[in-house]
Amino acid sequence: GQNIDQPTEMTATEGAIVQINCTYQTSGFNGLFWYQQHAGEAPTFLSYNVLDGLEEKGRFSSFLSRSKGYSYLLLKELQMKDSASYLCAVLDSNYQLIWGAGTKLIIKP
Amino acid sequence: ETGVTQTPRHLVMGMTNKKSLKCEQHLGHNAMYWYKQSAKKPLELMFVYSLEERVENNSVPSRFSPECPNSSHLFLHLHTLQPEDSALYLCASSQDFSRGGGETQYFGPGTRLLVL
Repeated sequence: GQNIDQPTEMTATEGAIVQINCTYQTSGFNGLFWYQQHAGEAPTFLSYNVLDGLEEKGRFSSFLSRSKGYSYLLLKELQMKDSASYLCAVLDSNYQLIWGAGTKLIIKP
Repeated sequence: ETGVTQTPRHLVMGMTNKKSLKCEQHLGHNAMYWYKQSAKKPLELMFVYSLEERVENNSVPSRFSPECPNSSHLFLHLHTLQPEDSALYLCASSQDFSRGGGETQYFGPGTRLLVL
């Protein structure tokens, strides 16, 4: 079966760095998405990786290793507004988008 | 108004009621999606429309009935729902449809549904 694993919840301190991991087992691979979702709001697109390596976008970076079936989202200089759920989703060989359950990130002052 | 909008934002209904959820996208996209999001569970894709034609139906119960009158509007008609249908229903759109949503999807704020 197809599976996306992310930690359920993480806690970090304002100003610090946090890494949210995502491992996947899917039928093929055509890219991995990260979305941010604040409580009660819609998910918003953060990043898309299809090649191995690190992609940096301001305070957020996303890393992919296709051979390991692994990705992480790195958040630097954490702000209180970064408290949200972070969703990992993988596009499989049939271009079906498989979603993880999300990681709830709690930022403490 | 820009982006993807959904109405109502909150809905409480009894099991015998009939209601409809509305989604509108102002992005000029060709594909629209309905998702169900339950607490601590992955997003569940319910329906996909591309150029107003349904292209995906992931075995959703018939008490959920989608309608796409044009590429900007999407409805989800609800009837005789069950308490376990209580969830956040999200609408999304993308420029085009590539077998399940390979393109970046833009989500609406969702409708929080409670079935009593």
